[in-house]
Amino acid sequence: AQSVTQLDSHVSVSEGTPVLLRCNYSSSYSPSLFWYVQHPNKGLQLLLKYTSAATLVKGINGFEAEFKKSETSFHLTKPSAHMSDAAEYFCVVSSSPSGGSYIPTFGRGTSLIVHP
Amino acid sequence: DARVTQTPRHKVTEMGQEVTMRCQPILGHNTVFWYRQTMMQGLELLAYFRNRAPLDDSGMPKDRFSAEMPDATLATLKIQPSEPRDSAVYFCASGTGLSGTTTDTQYFGPGTRLTVL
Repeated sequence: AQSVTQLDSHVSVSEGTPVLLRCNYSSSYSPSLFWYVQHPNKGLQLLLKYTSAATLVKGINGFEAEFKKSETSFHLTKPSAHMSDAAEYFCVVSSSPSGGSYIPTFGRGTSLIVHP
Repeated sequence: DARVTQTPRHKVTEMGQEVTMRCQPILGHNTVFWYRQTMMQGLELLAYFRNRAPLDDSGMPKDRFSAEMPDATLATLKIQPSEPRDSAVYFCASGTGLSGTTTDTQYFGPGTRLTVL
């Protein structure tokens, strides 16, 4: 079984300040973890993913996330927010027993609001 | 620049009418997902195909929804009859579906915004 919890439904920051979007997961197996971004009236786009290599993962547009197994977390960060970062962000977990089909589980999403 | 395409982008229909949404996955991808997104429920998985075979449709209301892949370049989601509660944005996503891995990235289409009056 797997699940994902995004701890904040909304996060509001000022332009130029750091961004932290929190995600906790639960999985019976070694998971892969993803962050997707959805801009208004658009489809989702992959930001970054963790696949059991380096625990600190760098993605597009200056975002990064750190996999912490002991805390079952995969928080998304960015040092300095830009107005164009305003969007909905989804944390996703995917795991399965040794091989075979899998179905990813999406979090409820976090809306990032960036103030000028 | 390969991308998933969906048609129509917008659909307004009346209750009781049949609605068909189409998706063209990225060429060479062999997994296809259908999702429904609403404010209340968030993103819900409706159906999942691998190599055109349906692997999971447990999230789909069976009495009125059906999903098929007539060929590798086309996935369809049909609602018959449609109801106002079906109003949502429907997304299709495709992936390479490498066997035995959970690392597959999903590539999302732009969505079909459905309004049922």
